Amino acid sequence: EVVLTQSPDTLSLSPGERAALSCRASQSVSSNYLAWYQQKPGQPPRLVIYGASSRAAGIPDRFTGSGSGTDFTLTISRLEPEDFAVYYCKLYRKSPPLFTFGPGTKVDIK
Amino acid sequence: VQMVQSGPEVRKPGASVKVSCKTSGYSFTSYSVIWLRQARGQGLEWLGWISVYNGYTTYAQKVQDRVTITTDTSTTTAFMELRGLRSNDTAIYYCARVVAVAGPVRFDYWGQGTLVIVSS
Repeated sequence: EVVLTQSPDTLSLSPGERAALSCRASQSVSSNYLAWYQQKPGQPPRLVIYGASSRAAGIPDRFTGSGSGTDFTLTISRLEPEDFAVYYCKLYRKSPPLFTFGPGTKVDIK
Repeated sequence: VQMVQSGPEVRKPGASVKVSCKTSGYSFTSYSVIWLRQARGQGLEWLGWISVYNGYTTYAQKVQDRVTITTDTSTTTAFMELRGLRSNDTAIYYCARVVAVAGPVRFDYWGQGTLVIVSS
């Protein structure tokens, strides 16, 4: 079973700075099945990126997903106040169906 | 699109709970619904999903003996029942719509969450 590791655990940055969040898989996976979700306190997760690099509807272009194989990155080019949240990467295995989430990276205000 | 879940529940160990997810704003049978949970301060864990079109279900191995996911197409509502509750089932339970065609599998709309507390 593939394990997802996210780093860092916490990223302390100021508004306007660039954030780079890492998601590493224990074995090579299809980028088609890698997604990123944002979660703010008291709210359900929100889809940010799917297929490793496609932005979900309503997601601003400061969010970029990239990567392949075992290493994936979510980059937020210039942090806005509303971007401070926990970000989870998620992997889908097609057969048999299985979803795996990473432990999350918290982006908080420095 | 809206997914509105039922309210908080408190159960004793060994009991069952059934959480509902009322959907609106889209063709209910054209999408699958997935259930996930999140313990306080923890990450996300998927429990199972259902193809509303044909009723086919897939469950996570960890809970497969205790969970049942169903739908009622007449009310466009999905349900998740968890039996044999334990204290470590205490969590917020979420439903989400699954997009599984026209691109990568993803969860694009979520319910607001239902807190289930298991305590004696």
